[in-house]
Amino acid sequence: AQKITQTQPGMFVQEKEAVTLDCTYDTSDQSYGLFWYKQPSSGEMIFLIYQGSYDEQNATEGRYSLNFQKARKSANLVISASQLGDSAMYFCALHGGATNKLIFGTGTLLAVQP
Amino acid sequence: EAGVVQSPRYKIIEKKQPVAFWCNPISGHNTLYWYLQNLGQGPELLIRYENEEAVDDSQLPKDRFSAERLKGVDSTLKIQPAELGDSAVYLCASSTSTGRGQETQYFGPGTRLLVL
Repeated sequence: AQKITQTQPGMFVQEKEAVTLDCTYDTSDQSYGLFWYKQPSSGEMIFLIYQGSYDEQNATEGRYSLNFQKARKSANLVISASQLGDSAMYFCALHGGATNKLIFGTGTLLAVQP
Repeated sequence: EAGVVQSPRYKIIEKKQPVAFWCNPISGHNTLYWYLQNLGQGPELLIRYENEEAVDDSQLPKDRFSAERLKGVDSTLKIQPAELGDSAVYLCASSTSTGRGQETQYFGPGTRLLVL
């Protein structure tokens, strides 16, 4: 069975500081992918970053980086230099090759304070 | 490039009434997904299409939900009759299908349904 766990229901961060959103996963697949999405109050799910299970380097996309620790089955999202517009729900998702499905966590609500 | 388009954005209906949602995927994306997102939860897959074919509808409650993608582009999701518990956000997503799996899914803005 595949499972994604996000243990932080909510987080506060000061503007311009870095923040880490936690994500752990469980899968029996050897090949899988991990995704992070941002969902602002408008409702649209915005793709942020992707990490493949065989990728040796941690993924980075602008201010977003993914701290991938395969042995610990964690894929934490790091947002550097937080901006007010980063305030949103953030979802971690797992795509397993065997099931060919994207499984989402319950999300973390991030509030960036000025 | 235009993103995934969904309509309507909001829908309020009375229970037992029918309702339909429409989705137009990103041009060139032959894989289309419908997700259900309940309040405080992540999206859950209802159905996945590869072109016109529904390749995974195991989570679709077939007694009241139906979907179609007749020409392999636009898709419609229908609920008939709607129940109070169907109040949620219905998200459509699309992706390319390279056969390698793990293609990035791009989402539309969703339809917020309220059943009274």
